[in-house]
Amino acid sequence: QITLKESGPTLVKPTQTLTLTCTFSGFSLSTSGVGVGWIRQPPGKALEWLAFIYWDDDKRYSPSLKSRLTITKDTSKNQVVLTMTNMDPVDTATYYCARYYYGSGSRRFDFWGQGSLVTVSS
Amino acid sequence: SSELTQDPAVSVALGQTVRITCQGDSLRSYYASWYQQKPGQAPVLVIYGKNNRPSGIPDRFSGSSSGNTASLTITGAQAEDEADYFCCSRDSSGNHYVFGTGTKVTVL
Repeated sequence: QITLKESGPTLVKPTQTLTLTCTFSGFSLSTSGVGVGWIRQPPGKALEWLAFIYWDDDKRYSPSLKSRLTITKDTSKNQVVLTMTNMDPVDTATYYCARYYYGSGSRRFDFWGQGSLVTVSS
Repeated sequence: SSELTQDPAVSVALGQTVRITCQGDSLRSYYASWYQQKPGQAPVLVIYGKNNRPSGIPDRFSGSSSGNTASLTITGAQAEDEADYFCCSRDSSGNHYVFGTGTKVTVL
């Protein structure tokens, strides 16, 4: 059974750095074709892809947020950490982590965490 | 362009068929995946690749693609299919991902 769960602060102040942790089970981030991604969703709005990290440590970031994001993995702990600097109220959103899988010739985010609502406010 | 555009909302009568479309230049090169999201819940993958359904997804969900448009079809829509649906694909560079604007499906 594959599960993912996001953890981190629910409230951050403007200009602060957000650190979110995705703790997963049921798969290994050292397996070929596997990755973990971060996606966010402001209240009432669409999903927005932020970043993902691949089994071989390949990292990809949203071009519009690249300067503010860092993604790392700890394979031994089954965790992926996303940091976002210089937080602003417009970054208020539910942040999801999801397993990214490349297999059978296609790529997808096939398992998702429950999401973590982060509010940016002074 | 790295955008994926969807109609904001569609409605379908119970038991009828509805097609949800997703348009974007990158879809000429890459398949879309589709996600169903019900209020207060995390997205759920319903279609990926050419036309693949994860385990547990009913076969009334199907996918197709032509040119710059990907489609998700629900054949015989049920009340429980009422949800927001998002497409997702790689952008034109192939190095990043982008989600569609989302479509709210109402089952009448």
